[in-house]
Amino acid sequence: AQSVTQPDIHITVSEGASLELRCNYSYGATPYLFWYVQSPGQGLQLLLKYFSGDTLVQGIKGFEAEFKRSQSSFNLRKPSVHWSDAAEYFCAVAGPSGNTPLVFGKGTRLSVIA
Amino acid sequence: ETGVTQSPTHLIKTRGQQVTLRCSSQSGHNTVSWYQQALGQGPQFIFQYYREEENGRGNFPPRFSGLQFPNYSSELNVNALELDDSALYLCASSLEGNTEAFFGQGTRLTVV
Repeated sequence: AQSVTQPDIHITVSEGASLELRCNYSYGATPYLFWYVQSPGQGLQLLLKYFSGDTLVQGIKGFEAEFKRSQSSFNLRKPSVHWSDAAEYFCAVAGPSGNTPLVFGKGTRLSVIA
Repeated sequence: ETGVTQSPTHLIKTRGQQVTLRCSSQSGHNTVSWYQQALGQGPQFIFQYYREEENGRGNFPPRFSGLQFPNYSSELNVNALELDDSALYLCASSLEGNTEAFFGQGTRLTVV
């Protein structure tokens, strides 16, 4: 069965510092991979996605993620965090065909301090 | 702004009651998926509708049911509400054959 593990429940970083959020997945083949962000009480906004090709993908708001097949990982990074990045971040996987449902991790809550 | 709208935004129901949540998909999208997000958890897949037919279902009991209409909008119905049904219910729309899903803002259901 597909599964996603986000090992860090809560991370606190200083504004301007770099950020890396970890994501590991379990899937029989190379899945489609996603990172979503959720502000309190809100829906999910797609930050970036990986389907195939270049393993380093760029997203919105200055985020990037790297797919590492050997480690079954898809870690999210940002070189300089802004206070507005404080939110919940979810990694998700889906099967490599259309209309397959997303399987989410439990999320990592990011706090940003001055 | 994704173009996916959900109503209502919040509601409170009593255990044993029934509830209907609504979702209007993004223009041109013919697939709607529903997810349940309990507090402190990631969203969990309930079911998906494609061209008015259920097209996949997660591990949820039959008292969770749905509909999709010809304009691709959708309803989620939950019968015999239980306290554990309290959650944020998210609707996501996508285009046939495209895994990228666009989420609405969700409906916060509280069962007391």
